Amino acid sequence: DAKTTQPPSMDCAEGRAANLPCNHSTISGNEYVYWYRQIHSQGPQYIIHGLKNNETNEMASLIITEDRKSSTLILPHATLRDTAVYYCIATTSGTYKYIFGTGTRLKVLA
Amino acid sequence: DAGVIQSPRHEVTEMGQEVTLRCKPISGHDYLFWYRQTMMRGLELLIYFNNNVPIDDSGMPEDRFSAKMPNASFSTLKIQPSEPRDSAVYFCASTRGSGMNTEAFFGQGTRLTVV
Repeated sequence: DAKTTQPPSMDCAEGRAANLPCNHSTISGNEYVYWYRQIHSQGPQYIIHGLKNNETNEMASLIITEDRKSSTLILPHATLRDTAVYYCIATTSGTYKYIFGTGTRLKVLA
Repeated sequence: DAGVIQSPRHEVTEMGQEVTLRCKPISGHDYLFWYRQTMMRGLELLIYFNNNVPIDDSGMPEDRFSAKMPNASFSTLKIQPSEPRDSAVYFCASTRGSGMNTEAFFGQGTRLTVV
């Protein structure tokens, strides 16, 4: 699985969009990009995943660059409850194996 | 469905004692994962099962750790003997294998303290 690199921390004002970057320059053609988050000490929670097209669901949007070497998770209107550690994971479809890195600690400020 | 259920939520034990953590995956899920989380090492994948069979146990730290899945609705992670450095939060997760990766659902974790 490709290594991912994320900034250790970010702040975002409540109500504004939170844009969380992830670098995965060694990603291979059959590896998907997954995003999970972990709120306080709860179990990680799935957010979204994609291969090469941009994806959107009720929680977030995922923008993957055309060369697939990086991606951005967008929380369109961040709330205080979005304060969490966000993990970007690159993994081969069908392996069902998620290796978590250190993630980005997002703090949403009132 | 009640989600992935782990028990106990908290466990305090003395060094040298045997500890057993339990997990009930979501019904219909055929993959089950055990993770360990510490401040120093983050979230580590210990072992995962497919259809009750261990697929990859390369993350199991040493022989003191063992995991079993006797049936589709139950798994255990056992530490014998336990040591203070085993103190961590242990998460269980499950997912349905459908040819493509789908989201994994995590339990609330078991916080283990070995004194």
